[in-house]
Amino acid sequence: DVKVTQSSRYLVKRTGEKVFLECVQDMDHENMFWYRQDPGLGLRLIYFSYDVKMKEKGDIPEGYSVSREKKERFSLILESASTNQTSMYLCASSLTGTLNTEAFFGQGTRLTVV
Amino acid sequence: AQSVTQLDSQVPVFEEAPVELRCNYSSSVSVYLFWYVQYPNQGLQLLLKYLSGSTLVESINGFEAEFNKSQTSFHLRKPSVHISDTAEYFCAVTLYNQGGKLIFGQGTELSVKP
Repeated sequence: DVKVTQSSRYLVKRTGEKVFLECVQDMDHENMFWYRQDPGLGLRLIYFSYDVKMKEKGDIPEGYSVSREKKERFSLILESASTNQTSMYLCASSLTGTLNTEAFFGQGTRLTVV
Repeated sequence: AQSVTQLDSQVPVFEEAPVELRCNYSSSVSVYLFWYVQYPNQGLQLLLKYLSGSTLVESINGFEAEFNKSQTSFHLRKPSVHISDTAEYFCAVTLYNQGGKLIFGQGTELSVKP
């Protein structure tokens, strides 16, 4: 089974802190994604990466950055956390191919910024 | 640009009743369509997907969805729901060869009551 693991289920951070959210997948997937989930808004794409050291902005990249130094690991960084970044963060991974495949999701990290 | 609209934010229903969760999308090009389910305090799991071929697709737990190109819809149905179907359901689209880069609807909370 594909497994996408997010390092924390719950995090509480203070305003202005630098926050790292880690995601690891074990199926050699090329693509990795960070989504943010908010009630009534569904999931919105923050950043994605289709290869090591490659990244592309999604729909809401402001206030975030990412790092992909190894194929299996994709980190989301909040440079200076703010209260409006309180949310559920979901990591996903998928294969690249001409036949589109599904994305596999981690359990999510619920981040609270106080 | 692509977009997805889930027409109902909450759907309360009694156990063993039928249910339909509505999803409409807009896109100028062909898309792949997905329904994901999120049980309480969990990540997203793929419920079913339409890539090509038969427009009616089914899941292993009795859900089905029909791709209607003329109406740009991908409604999810189940003839008889169970308490265990209580969850949030997300409709999503992606373009050909953009594996995993999903555009989500706002989500529909299905609440099954005894």
